Amino acid sequence: EVQLVESGGGLVQPGGSLRLSCAASGFTFSSYEMNWVRQAPGKGLEWVSYISSSGSTIYYADSVKGRFTISRDNAKNSLYLQMNSLRAEDTAVYYCARWDESMDVWGQGTTVTVSS
Amino acid sequence: DIQMTQSPSSLSASVGDRVTITCRASQGISNYLAWFQQKPGKAPKSLIYAASSLQSGVPSKFSGSGSGTDFTLTISSLQPEDFATYYCQQYNSYPWTFGQGTKVEIK
Repeated sequence: EVQLVESGGGLVQPGGSLRLSCAASGFTFSSYEMNWVRQAPGKGLEWVSYISSSGSTIYYADSVKGRFTISRDNAKNSLYLQMNSLRAEDTAVYYCARWDESMDVWGQGTTVTVSS
Repeated sequence: DIQMTQSPSSLSASVGDRVTITCRASQGISNYLAWFQQKPGKAPKSLIYAASSLQSGVPSKFSGSGSGTDFTLTISSLQPEDFATYYCQQYNSYPWTFGQGTKVEIK
């Protein structure tokens, strides 16, 4: 079964850091481009970041550029999002999503709450 | 950035109704458009890619059309499991952007 499972969310103070993980299974992870997408409480979807299959090409939304870092470990079938200098507006459910002509497979999401 | 505008923001419909949701891009995006369905507390589900291609396993009651700046998602006969929020998303250029969503509710 093709599956993505996020972890690492939690409560963090403003200015703090958090590292999200996304574990992939059921497909050849190293062949696929990946993304992070987030959804603030009661709001719509916001694309956050993209990484190519090799990790050589990366893009970020302006709202997170310079604070978030996307990476992957193909040997461990894992995708990561290092989040630094967190703000209240980063509070959201964070999803990882596989890219195959569309974001065709999504994880269940992990919740990040930034609050003092 | 390319802005995606969906209409309506919400709609009420009955089981069996034909429903159409529109999505407009602020500039031409060719056919680089996807549609997603999201139910409360769940992850989005891919329905359509490349404006009109049905994702594997998605029932044929869902269809998409359009190119350039104007796109539509049609549900041919609304069923109880189709009540959800629908999002369009452009992937013509970064940053990828989503529409604000259309909530389909039971009349």
